[in-house]
Amino acid sequence: QKEVEQNSGPLSVPEGAIASLNCTYSDRGSQSFFWYRQYSGKSPELIMSIYSNGDKEDGRFTAQLNKASQYVSLLIRDSQPSDSATYLCAVKSSASKIIFGSGTRLSIRP
Amino acid sequence: EAQVTQNPRYLITVTGKKLTVTCSQNMNHEYMSWYRQDPGLGLRQIYYSMNVEVTDKGDVPEGYKVSRKEKRNFPLILESPSPNQTSLYFCASSFRDDLSKNIQYFGAGTRLSVL
Repeated sequence: QKEVEQNSGPLSVPEGAIASLNCTYSDRGSQSFFWYRQYSGKSPELIMSIYSNGDKEDGRFTAQLNKASQYVSLLIRDSQPSDSATYLCAVKSSASKIIFGSGTRLSIRP
Repeated sequence: EAQVTQNPRYLITVTGKKLTVTCSQNMNHEYMSWYRQDPGLGLRQIYYSMNVEVTDKGDVPEGYKVSRKEKRNFPLILESPSPNQTSLYFCASSFRDDLSKNIQYFGAGTRLSVL
């Protein structure tokens, strides 16, 4: 089992809809969780971080964390074509290492 | 402008020919790191450095060397490149206090092909 797992996609969502991206992790001691956005051929960009159970909202983005289920998700409301990218989930493990998932490719269709 | 600069951006080389990928940051960051990114495998850490003259292995250090003689520079050295080191490489830097928040600045990436 991978330490951080994501569905590779592609996930296709119509413009204006909600895109839902999911991530599971194996280390129960993990405390910090992050979402990065990476456009094709570009470097990753941190867009959200979450540390406690529940929801955290920032503009059109909402991160959700459920430590009991070892699950973290990212919701993008009112999806725009500019949201088309690969989204990387990253987890800070109990050993203080940052482990990245392989990413989910999101495509917003007009 | 705050930035992490990697050079070269693209490199094609042959097996066994030593190469160095440079990384430089102008933000006075203590922490610097190298990652490689391969399809389906995400970002994997190669080496990291908490400060000058302090380096440590990441998850996939085999075949790589690094040095941190100055705070701003963190070169990645491939003494004898092999085709399985064909990948996209990213350098990143951060203040040590920002590590828990994973506020890392990434370079633009170096695409390496080893023939």
